[in-house]
Amino acid sequence: SAVISQKPSRDICQRGTSLTIQCQVDSQVTMMFWYRQQPGQSLTLIATANQGSEATYESGFVIDKFPISRPNLTFSTLTVSNMSPEDSSIYLCSVFGNNGYTFGSGTRLTVV
Amino acid sequence: GNSVTQMEGPVTLSEEAFLTINCTYTATGYPSLFWYVQYPGEGLQLLLKATKADDKGSNKGFEATYRKETTSFHLEKGSVQVSDSAVYFCALVYNQGGKLIFGQGTELSVKP
Repeated sequence: SAVISQKPSRDICQRGTSLTIQCQVDSQVTMMFWYRQQPGQSLTLIATANQGSEATYESGFVIDKFPISRPNLTFSTLTVSNMSPEDSSIYLCSVFGNNGYTFGSGTRLTVV
Repeated sequence: GNSVTQMEGPVTLSEEAFLTINCTYTATGYPSLFWYVQYPGEGLQLLLKATKADDKGSNKGFEATYRKETTSFHLEKGSVQVSDSAVYFCALVYNQGGKLIFGQGTELSVKP
C-alpha cells in the first residue's frame, strides 16, 4: 500500500488565521481525497483532488474556505481559511492506489 | 441517496467476548463494502472488504459477509482482545477510486 506522510499532526490556531495541511505520498497516485472528521463523528468528504485539474468539492464545502493544491502525482495541500472554532476537527487525506484506499494519520486542528 | 448506518456505540466488552457490530447500507446497485479501524491517535486502516454479494472478508480474526438480501455487512470476532479497542467504520463505494461513504463509527472498548 501507498505510505502517506501528513503534516502537521496537530495544531492550535487562532480564529481568523489559515492553516495549510500537507499530504506527501511515496508513490504516484491519481486520486487523492480530503476528509473532515468532526469530534465524535464520521468522516465527511471535503473534496477530490486530481492532478492537472481543479478539485471537485462536495456539497457544503467551497474552494474559498478550503483551497486545495495538487501540483503533482505525489503531493497535495489543503488550506483551512479564516478559521473559526467550528473548524476544529481532524483532517485526513486519502489516496486510491493499486491496493485500494490508504489514509494519512490525520491533522488534529483546534481553533481558539 | 446512498448511506451507511452502524450500531450506536460505545460498545464495552470483556476480553475474549464475542463481538458483533451491525452495519446496514442503503444503495442502488452493488457497491463494494469495507470495514476500517481507527486506533487512538492514528489514521484509518483497512480491516477487511467484500466486493460482491455473499463474499466474506476476513482479517485478524474479524469477519464480515456481504448480505445483499438484508443489505448488511456486520462485523464479527469470536474473541476480542484489549488491543482491539478502537473505532470501527463501515463504508461503501460504487466505483473503485470513487467516493467512500462512511457510517458514523462505533467505538469499541475491551476491558481485561
